[in-house]
Amino acid sequence: DADVTQTPRNRITKTGKRIMLECSQTKGHDRMYWYRQDPGLGLRLIYYSFDVKDINKGEISDGYSVSRQAQAKFSLSLESAIPNQTALYFCATSDRDRPIHGYTFGSGTRLTVV
Amino acid sequence: QKEVEQNSGPLSVPEGAIASLNCTYSDRGSQSFFWYRQYSGKSPELIMFIYSNGDKEDGRFTAQLNKASQYVSLLIRDSQPSDSATYLCAVRYNNNDMRFGAGTRLTVKP
Repeated sequence: DADVTQTPRNRITKTGKRIMLECSQTKGHDRMYWYRQDPGLGLRLIYYSFDVKDINKGEISDGYSVSRQAQAKFSLSLESAIPNQTALYFCATSDRDRPIHGYTFGSGTRLTVV
Repeated sequence: QKEVEQNSGPLSVPEGAIASLNCTYSDRGSQSFFWYRQYSGKSPELIMFIYSNGDKEDGRFTAQLNKASQYVSLLIRDSQPSDSATYLCAVRYNNNDMRFGAGTRLTVKP
């Protein structure tokens, strides 16, 4: 099983619909992140959480919300999806005590908003 | 503004050659530096990290860091077709904020 699991892998949704992307991890890491990736723009941080009671906005949080249900689970919601939220979304984790180990990424969710 | 800049490429090298990938960053309050490899449609995977000035070698990969000039580079020796991917530079700042460059697409031709 993957260390960081994202569901669904692919999703097509209509404009205005609410959608949730889920992430779970078995690495025991305390820190979790949501990124989106667009061609030519690289990875941009949406939200991050350093523990269950800690939620922080990233550089592009408008239109998104998150929930850290447990140390191992971090979900991303699009309250009312719009076409420019079409992107590849990645969840990532890291260990506070091993910052030089970088991030571990999930396999990604390809979201298309029509 | 915390910027991480990379040449988007594509960078094309013949098999067996040295591929040189470069990255510059804008904020001097940077602690550590990472290179990720991302195959098309896949997630990024960490291949190198460096936090001290100078070179760090791991197999065919060498990361180079020059904090005074604010650049970090990745050299891939004896490039193989399987090295064809997009390489992302990432910079971690003092507040643990990590910023990624847009990536350089590398193609190694047999």
